[in-house]
Amino acid sequence: NAGVTQTPKFRVLKTGQSMTLLCAQDMNHEYMYWYRQDPGMGLRLIHYSVGEGTTAKGEVPDGYNVSRLKKQNFLLGLESAAPSQTSVYFCASSYAGGVGAFFGQGTRLTVV
Amino acid sequence: DQQVKQNSPSLSVQEGRISILNCDYTNSMFDYFLWYKKYPAEGPTFLISISSIKDKNEDGRFTVFLNKSAKHLSLHIVPSQPGDSAVYFCAASATAYSGAGSYQLTFGKGTKLSVIP
Repeated sequence: NAGVTQTPKFRVLKTGQSMTLLCAQDMNHEYMYWYRQDPGMGLRLIHYSVGEGTTAKGEVPDGYNVSRLKKQNFLLGLESAAPSQTSVYFCASSYAGGVGAFFGQGTRLTVV
Repeated sequence: DQQVKQNSPSLSVQEGRISILNCDYTNSMFDYFLWYKKYPAEGPTFLISISSIKDKNEDGRFTVFLNKSAKHLSLHIVPSQPGDSAVYFCAASATAYSGAGSYQLTFGKGTKLSVIP
């Protein structure tokens, strides 16, 4: 029972490079989320999706894009990475909005 | 403007004693509250939740209390165990609200609990 799986677990990028973080869930959840965690800042919502083919902006969406082409996958893209995007990124999914979400193990991204 | 506040960055408690973690919120639309536990290098895991129609919810050693008039909730862990040492996040959502942001969980900054053997 995998739950929520994030790929990759670690990544180092140079400023200006692009990359995509993949999130996959096997619980048939409609809702999926991308959060970032920074020291002293808690978890902040980047983008979320309420179903296949839908996406919406969260609290800190600038510099990121997302896609939800399949119900089980939620992709987070950085088109031109900046040092301010150095963070730990968490994907989560839930069966309904605003209720307990299941989180992945996180992706530690460093932009140099 | 921080809508969910955990004012204690850290807390140390002796094993066997009670741990009390506090959380305050400012948004009157919030009607569902959750606590998450996070170990280093792992994702947060759901611990316990409470709806605004209740003032208390228990699950084993964990109890969450909600005081709506004070916009305050607390998590009690009794008895505390060394394995409870982790960062605890309080989160809130507005499930009865259908406008923008209604699907979001808003998190506090977390409280690091250390249970001393």
